[in-house]
Order: sequence, then C-alpha cells, then structure tokens
Amino acid sequence: AQSVSQHNHHVILSEAASLELGCNYSYGGTVNLFWYVQYPGQHLQLLLKYFSGDPLVKGIKGFEAEFIKSKFSFNLRKPSVQWSDTAEYFCAVNAGNNRKLIWGLGTSLAVNP
Amino acid sequence: DGGITQSPKYLFRKEGQNVTLSCEQNLNHDAMYWYRQDPGQGLRLIYYSQIVNDFQKGDIAEGYSVSREKKESFPLTVTSAQKNPTAFYLCATGGGYTFGSGTRLTVV
Repeated sequence: AQSVSQHNHHVILSEAASLELGCNYSYGGTVNLFWYVQYPGQHLQLLLKYFSGDPLVKGIKGFEAEFIKSKFSFNLRKPSVQWSDTAEYFCAVNAGNNRKLIWGLGTSLAVNP
Repeated sequence: DGGITQSPKYLFRKEGQNVTLSCEQNLNHDAMYWYRQDPGQGLRLIYYSQIVNDFQKGDIAEGYSVSREKKESFPLTVTSAQKNPTAFYLCATGGGYTFGSGTRLTVV
C-alpha cells in the first residue's frame, strides 16, 4: 500500500536556524508531491508542489524542496526560519492515476524568537 | 473571488443527532474531497467525488454520508452512527488541492 512517512513529528528551532523536514513515500511509479502548511488557527495552504521537471522546487515564503527519485524522498528546506514559520507541515503524495492524496502525519515546527 | 467555502466554522452536535457540513466551490473543479483532521493523526479521507452524481468512500467513511448533486457543492452529513465525531473537517477540491477553512465539530 502507498504510504508517506514524515520522520520528524516535532521540531524546535531558534530563529535564523536552517530547516529540513524529511518526507519519504512508498510508490515505484510516477508521483506528484506536495508540501502543505497549516498556521495556528488557519486552514491548510499549499507551500509547493512537484509534478515534473526540475527536481528542486521553490515555493512560497522562501521554502524549497528537492525530489530525489532514487531515495523516494521530497524533503522540505528553508535556509533561515522565522518565528512566523511556526506551524504544522504536511507532506502528501499523489501516485499513479489515482487523484487521492496520501498524507504524512505532519511535523509540528516551533520557532523560538 | 474564487475559492472554496466551508460553513459553519464551528458546529455543536448533540448525541444522536445528524448534522450537515457545507462545502461550496467556484473553482470549476470536478474533484472534491472531505477529510477529517485529528491531533497527531494527520488527515484522513472520508469521501471523495470525481464527478457530479458520483462519489466513493475514503478510508474512514463509516458514520458519514455525502451527496454530489451539483458540481459546486459537496455536503457532508455526520450521522449518529459516527461514534467519535469531534474533529476538524476539511473540504478540498482539485488535483492540486485547494482547501476550505474547515469546520470544527464538537459533540456536546
């Protein structure tokens, strides 16, 4: 069965620290990959997505993610986090012809000022 | 402006009562989805619809029902058969997913 694994459940960083959140999926074929963010009290927002082409994807608010097919990974990165990045981050995968998204359990990020 | 609207934002349900959550979109997307979000469990798919008058069960459909009579609307009914309905419910559309702002349902 297809699955998505986010390795870090809770991450605490200080402002200006670099961020990398891991995301691995299990599916051998073509995938579409997504990162979503949910700020406290707000709805889910799309940070970035990968469908094809350049495996390094740039998203909103300085986030980027790299698709490494050989590692089945799509890790999210940001060089320098801000307090306003405190949120929950979800990785999701859409595999094959199925339009359903398979979701990771999320990573809660707290950035201390 | 284009988007997806969920209502109400907060909903309280008494034991044994059915309640219906609204989801409306003006994005002209064929696909619509209902998710349930619980702390520490991520998002779980309840029902989805890829076209009008058709819908499929997701991973946790028991105790829920939906209809898709119009492209713009995909209401979710939480029935009395759902034993633990307190959660945050999210509606989404499209293959790349646009989410509504959610409905927080609480059983009182």
